Amino acid sequence: AQSVTQPDIHITVSEGASLELRCNYSYGATPYLFWYVQSPGQGLQLLLKYFSGDTLVQGIKGFEAEFKRSQSSFNLRKPSVHWSDAAEYFCAVGAGGSYIPTFGRGTSLIVHP
Amino acid sequence: DTAVSQTPKYLVTQMGNDKSIKCEQNLGHDTMYWYKQDSKKFLKIMFSYNNKELIINETVPNRFSPKSPDKAHLNLHINSLELGDSAVYFCASSQEWDRDSEQYFGPGTRLTVT
Repeated sequence: AQSVTQPDIHITVSEGASLELRCNYSYGATPYLFWYVQSPGQGLQLLLKYFSGDTLVQGIKGFEAEFKRSQSSFNLRKPSVHWSDAAEYFCAVGAGGSYIPTFGRGTSLIVHP
Repeated sequence: DTAVSQTPKYLVTQMGNDKSIKCEQNLGHDTMYWYKQDSKKFLKIMFSYNNKELIINETVPNRFSPKSPDKAHLNLHINSLELGDSAVYFCASSQEWDRDSEQYFGPGTRLTVT
């Protein structure tokens, strides 16, 4: 069965600084990978996804993620963080015949002015 | 217009009671889901319906019963509520039952059992 680890529970950055959120997965073959964002009091919104092809994936809100098979990682990046990016970020991995991804425990992003 | 809506947003009730959470999507999607997010933010699938047919039923107690009267609605009924049922419940929908189909989430229902 697949699993996903988000090693950082909280990340604090200053507004305008760059951001990288870590995600590691466990699965024998090529998984399909997602990043979701959950703003306070809201449901999850898909930022981007990777199924195959180019390992650098562009998403909404200026986010991108890179799939690195050798490291079993799918880290989320943004070059310049805005205060409105403060939210909970979830990495998810799906595999095989399962159409339901397994979610990580989330990373809470705090943005200082 | 809200794509996926849930009511109520907050629900506080006592142990042993029966309660329902309603979900509606106006996206014309075929597939709907219920997720449970616990206090540690872990999100786990509970049920999935495709064209009103139950296709996923994870290891959820029988006290939880989903009902899909039509493709736009998936309600969750919970009998004999327990303290451990306290969580945020999310409804979601997707165009079809396919791994490539993006899921759209509702705002969640925070259930507190006292």
